[in-house]
Amino acid sequence: SQQGEEDPQALSIQEGENATMNCSYKTSINNLQWYRQNSGRGLVHLILIRSNEREKHSGRLRVTLDTSKKSSSLLITASRAADTASYLCATDIAGKSTFGDGTTLTVKP
Amino acid sequence: GAGVSQSPSNKVTEKGKDVELRCDPISGHTALYWYRQSLGQGLEFLIYFQGNSAPDKSGLPSDRFSAERTGGSVSTLTIQRTQQEDSAVYLCASSLGVVRGRQDQETQYFGPGTRLLVL
Repeated sequence: SQQGEEDPQALSIQEGENATMNCSYKTSINNLQWYRQNSGRGLVHLILIRSNEREKHSGRLRVTLDTSKKSSSLLITASRAADTASYLCATDIAGKSTFGDGTTLTVKP
Repeated sequence: GAGVSQSPSNKVTEKGKDVELRCDPISGHTALYWYRQSLGQGLEFLIYFQGNSAPDKSGLPSDRFSAERTGGSVSTLTIQRTQQEDSAVYLCASSLGVVRGRQDQETQYFGPGTRLLVL
């Protein structure tokens, strides 16, 4: 089974609304990263949060990490149609990453 | 600066033929990864190279799959006797890898992938 699992699998919202995606994992990690993927190609790194951090911000993105619950959330505020993509989390254990299947986000204009 | 490049971008082959996929990582990155992504699926880890260490091959689905990384830079993923289920996008990524003597993965930078179709 996947180390990182995103929830929900799919999310559809209106432009301007906030989108929240969650990632759960099973074992202790060094860090957790969120990536964005468009059209099944081209993963782009969004943000990395280390195991000793609880929250990080980058523009309209906010990531939280709860190591006691082994979960992370990605919040995209004031969503735009261009945010439509798949969002994947990747957990790092001893230098090796394991990706979840991703959450497919659709932002309707 | 140059990112991770992969070639070819698309490959169509016949069942039973061998294929080679190439990845040029970012210069100076010691870690290199290969992943496979089937249509509508997540990333499946295949193999991981870190410097001169023995590669982590735990994700290779069968002995038809092999990979090399020559001179700590360019990597080639070889699939022998291709099967239709091998059809997927094969993604390569690189990262800084080991930093100052400790394992620090940092960000993975992905190439555009090679779309493989086995007929």
